[in-house]
Amino acid sequence: ETGVTQSPTHLIKTRGQQVTLRCSSQSGHNTVSWYQQALGQGPQFIFQYYREEENGRGNFPPRFSGLQFPNYSSELNVNALELDDSALYLCASSSGQDNEQFFGPGTRLTVL
Amino acid sequence: AQSVTQLGSHVSVSEGALVLLRCNYSSSVPPYLFWYVQYPNQGLQLLLKYTSAATLVKGINGFEAEFKKSETSFHLTKPSAHLSDAAEYFCAVRGDTSGTYKYIFGTGTRLKVLA
Repeated sequence: ETGVTQSPTHLIKTRGQQVTLRCSSQSGHNTVSWYQQALGQGPQFIFQYYREEENGRGNFPPRFSGLQFPNYSSELNVNALELDDSALYLCASSSGQDNEQFFGPGTRLTVL
Repeated sequence: AQSVTQLGSHVSVSEGALVLLRCNYSSSVPPYLFWYVQYPNQGLQLLLKYTSAATLVKGINGFEAEFKKSETSFHLTKPSAHLSDAAEYFCAVRGDTSGTYKYIFGTGTRLKVLA
């Protein structure tokens, strides 16, 4: 059974650019959640997708957006990047909205 | 609303000594609680979880945690620290906001193991 995978592993962007991060959920999982972990902090919930619909959002501005595809993989898009967006972005999948979440290895984003 | 508080951002122990990492939770409903470990430049690895079954939960790598409702605590322990235990540890509670189940993490405790 393949676990949660994320791509890319690392990337560097400059302020004002846009970025797309990708997540492949674990087999059989229909729910994907995204978290942002700034340096020295715990992960913070960005939003969740369930069966291709956004199912809840944390305290993040609209320039953070996402998609979930029919195969339940997901993308996180961030527009107009700011320096404070530099963080580890974690994706987690689950087999239902209230089931245990399994985390991927993360994508480290650096904004210069 | 649910939340967790981790007491002590840094903890140092000697190799072979007891490890105790503290976590207190706040929840208006029976909580689901988790401990994760994060090694440098890596993602989160689940150590153990409490989902309202046994109050003493055993996890991987010799770690365990005890759920104490009266103290609203879920402290993580390991009888004998190993050098490889040096990492960041996060306590988390599952939060429910209008049907969205999300994990709410503490700020983390960095464990240092001294040889």
